[in-house]
Amino acid sequence: AQRVTQPEKLLSVFKGAPVELKCNYSYSGSPELFWYVQYSRQRLQLLLRHISRESIKGFTADLNKGETSFHLKKPFAQEEDSAMYYCALSRGSTLGRLYFGRGTQLTVWP
Amino acid sequence: DAGVIQSPRHEVTEMGQEVTLRCKPISGHDYLFWYRQTMMRGLELLIYFNNNVPIDDSGMPEDRFSAKMPNASFSTLKIQPSEPRDSAVYFCASRITDTQYFGPGTRLTVL
Repeated sequence: AQRVTQPEKLLSVFKGAPVELKCNYSYSGSPELFWYVQYSRQRLQLLLRHISRESIKGFTADLNKGETSFHLKKPFAQEEDSAMYYCALSRGSTLGRLYFGRGTQLTVWP
Repeated sequence: DAGVIQSPRHEVTEMGQEVTLRCKPISGHDYLFWYRQTMMRGLELLIYFNNNVPIDDSGMPEDRFSAKMPNASFSTLKIQPSEPRDSAVYFCASRITDTQYFGPGTRLTVL
């Protein structure tokens, strides 16, 4: 069975500090991993996907198959990064659904 | 494109009443998902459709919940009768390829 774990429900950092949101997964196949973000009272939106190996808004995430992790990182957090972040797993683009973690609420203090 | 559209945005009802939430997916998307978001349980998948056919409804809490997708441009989630524990934000999402696009959500309060 597949499972996504985000161990931190809440995470607070000061502006300019590095931030890392943890995501671990369990799946025996080759997963596709995503990070979704939800700013206050807005809809969830895709932040980045591992297959693109892109940096969005300064965030990056590397898929570590050995550690089954997909942590989201940003070297210098900004106040506007405050949001709920969800890690999600797909078993493959043909298999329909995403499996979401419970989410991490990030607060960046001024 | 307005994206995924949901209505109503807010719904306040009394326990025992029927509630119907509506969703219009993005045109051309072949998957549609219904989620429920609460502080306690996070984001839960209730049901999803592929080409208007329900694929997995194992997340639907109980028989009080039902969902339909009569055509490619419309879906409903119905709760009958509603209970206070159903209070949550309900999201609809649609997808094509590997990206899900979420609607703004319906905030449901059952008194």
